[in-house]
Amino acid sequence: IAGITQAPTSQILAAGRRMTLRCTQDMRHNAMYWYRQDLGLGLRLIHYSNTAGTTGKGEVPDGYSVSRANTDDFPLTLASAVPSQTSVYFCASSQGEGGGYTFGSGTRLTVV
Amino acid sequence: GQNIDQPTEMTATEGAIVQINCTYQTSGFNGLFWYQQHAGEAPTFLSYNVLDGLEEKGRFSSFLSRSKGYSYLLLKELQMKDSASYLCAAMDSNYQLIWGAGTKLIIKP
Repeated sequence: IAGITQAPTSQILAAGRRMTLRCTQDMRHNAMYWYRQDLGLGLRLIHYSNTAGTTGKGEVPDGYSVSRANTDDFPLTLASAVPSQTSVYFCASSQGEGGGYTFGSGTRLTVV
Repeated sequence: GQNIDQPTEMTATEGAIVQINCTYQTSGFNGLFWYQQHAGEAPTFLSYNVLDGLEEKGRFSSFLSRSKGYSYLLLKELQMKDSASYLCAAMDSNYQLIWGAGTKLIIKP
């Protein structure tokens, strides 16, 4: 089934630990995005990639890093987690230039 | 700056009609999207408007006025399953979506 797969579904993480959220798509979409969603704030863009090999910073990039080694994968890394990074994280992809976004099912991360 | 405004919450009755408004301000404009998000789930695509006017898709319709920076989502014959958040998003000149905070729609029997 074509779409986006995120892993893990949920995670409880100790503060200070390193964590990588995985995102894989099989639609051959050029653009991929990482968002965090917090109650009352809507979706906020963390990082994006318009094509394999390139990445860019979104609205809230601090504390996060990404890589885009190939078209399908776009992992998000928290180098040293802090409680304010407790959130639901969504990965999305699009063909680009006017195409709608397809979202993964999300990762619920709790940093304690 | 770039900004999307939509009401935080709306309540409607099963079987009725509800209109969710959205105003936007973006650097460039490449279309207006509406997404539906049920609690605990991912957003799913509902509609896309890039030209002025009304787009109808079953019980859901979406309207766009580019000159006014305004869109609305119209939901007819409301069903309990329509209880969800509705997200308005405008695509800017870089083809990135600028998101509103979402409108939580509560349907009462």
